[in-house]
Amino acid sequence: EAQVTQNPRYLITVTGKKLTVTCSQNMNHEYMSWYRQDPGLGLRQIYYSMNVEVTDKGDVPEGYKVSRKEKRNFPLILESPSPNQTSLYFCASSGSGYGYTFGSGTRLTVV
Amino acid sequence: GDSVTQMEGPVTLSEEAFLTINCTYTATGYPSLFWYVQYPGEGLQLLLKATKADDKGSNKGFEATYRKETTSFHLEKGSVQVSDSAVYFCALSVNTGNQFYFGTGTSLTVIP
Repeated sequence: EAQVTQNPRYLITVTGKKLTVTCSQNMNHEYMSWYRQDPGLGLRQIYYSMNVEVTDKGDVPEGYKVSRKEKRNFPLILESPSPNQTSLYFCASSGSGYGYTFGSGTRLTVV
Repeated sequence: GDSVTQMEGPVTLSEEAFLTINCTYTATGYPSLFWYVQYPGEGLQLLLKATKADDKGSNKGFEATYRKETTSFHLEKGSVQVSDSAVYFCALSVNTGNQFYFGTGTSLTVIP
């Protein structure tokens, strides 16, 4: 089954403790992206990647890092999380302009 | 720049009512247009799409027509059901077809 898999689904952490949210897709898509979803703000793009070793900032990249060492994986890294990064995060991938396939989301709470 | 503006919510309708959610866009080039749906506790799913002017996308009773003259892609359904309760996002992609711009989402609640 074609899918984007994110882990974990839920995460509660403390301020400053580094964390990684993993994302993997099995569709051989070149394009992958991370979004955060906040009430009243819709989806905002954090980072995207056009291919292996090619990443670029989206609209809200501050406080986040990404890497794309393999085509299927696109982890999101929070080096020093802060409470304003409490949000619902989605990974998505796309190939040939047919539309995004989204992961199920990661609900992150930073206390 | 490229952007999407969609109708503010929330929208509450009775079962079997007619639904319209407005979406307008601004884009350079020739965008493809999409509607995504997010059911409670889930990720976004592609509902329908249209890739060129005058195309009509349809799925699960929902329809939207790509109107270049009015730069719109309004979502419609003739008779909504309780199971249609969700958040709906309008989106566009341009050029490579991979970078997407989303609207802020419209929450729909259908009551029996």
